[in-house]
Amino acid sequence: DSGVTQTPKHLITATGQRVTLRCSPRSGDLSVYWYQQSLDQGLQFLIQYYNGEERAKGNILERFSAQQFPDLHSELNLSSLELGDSALYFCASSPGTSGREETQYFGPGTRLLVL
Amino acid sequence: KDQVFQPSTVASSEGAVVEIFCNHSVSNAYNFFWYLHFPGCAPRLLVKGSKPSQQGRYNMTYERFSSSLLILQVREADAAVYYCAVYRCANAGKSTFGDGTTLTVKP
Repeated sequence: DSGVTQTPKHLITATGQRVTLRCSPRSGDLSVYWYQQSLDQGLQFLIQYYNGEERAKGNILERFSAQQFPDLHSELNLSSLELGDSALYFCASSPGTSGREETQYFGPGTRLLVL
Repeated sequence: KDQVFQPSTVASSEGAVVEIFCNHSVSNAYNFFWYLHFPGCAPRLLVKGSKPSQQGRYNMTYERFSSSLLILQVREADAAVYYCAVYRCANAGKSTFGDGTTLTVKP
């Protein structure tokens, strides 16, 4: 158990809909990362937040957005869903102190199925 | 552009030593991280460092722009995806992941 929690574990929805994925980082971690893993593909970095502010952006679609709240939990919002958005979405957290120990701890993931 | 490169697949046999190579073009890179990922499960850290490191059967070599993960006495259960990540600590600290290497192990 990494200490990172994600809800829900599974999500089934229809094309065109909007969903919100939630992540709670490890206690004390300030950085949160979101990744997408589609079938037969590797981890694709989407976005990183540090202490409430966006720090780095990866291959995140404009239909997707994220935020980190004052209590440090984060939400990933996916809108106008398409079949190709079906994937496993991982959240990870790290201390985010820009020090040397920036190990990322991954949550169990949310499996999204768009029908 | 910050990029991390690693082979898409590596094959090995049980009991052998397998090496997975990684190199990068990340400016101001500081640390290498090697993660193990069984699809459907959360990736987890195996070994990390800015110098050669070892954690059990996992050894990590270190050069400024490359690293190798060596897995000793490979087992069938080691078949998984291995990710190399490089951490840059200048300004906005950021980790860049490679696309992952799928290890297959023959009995």
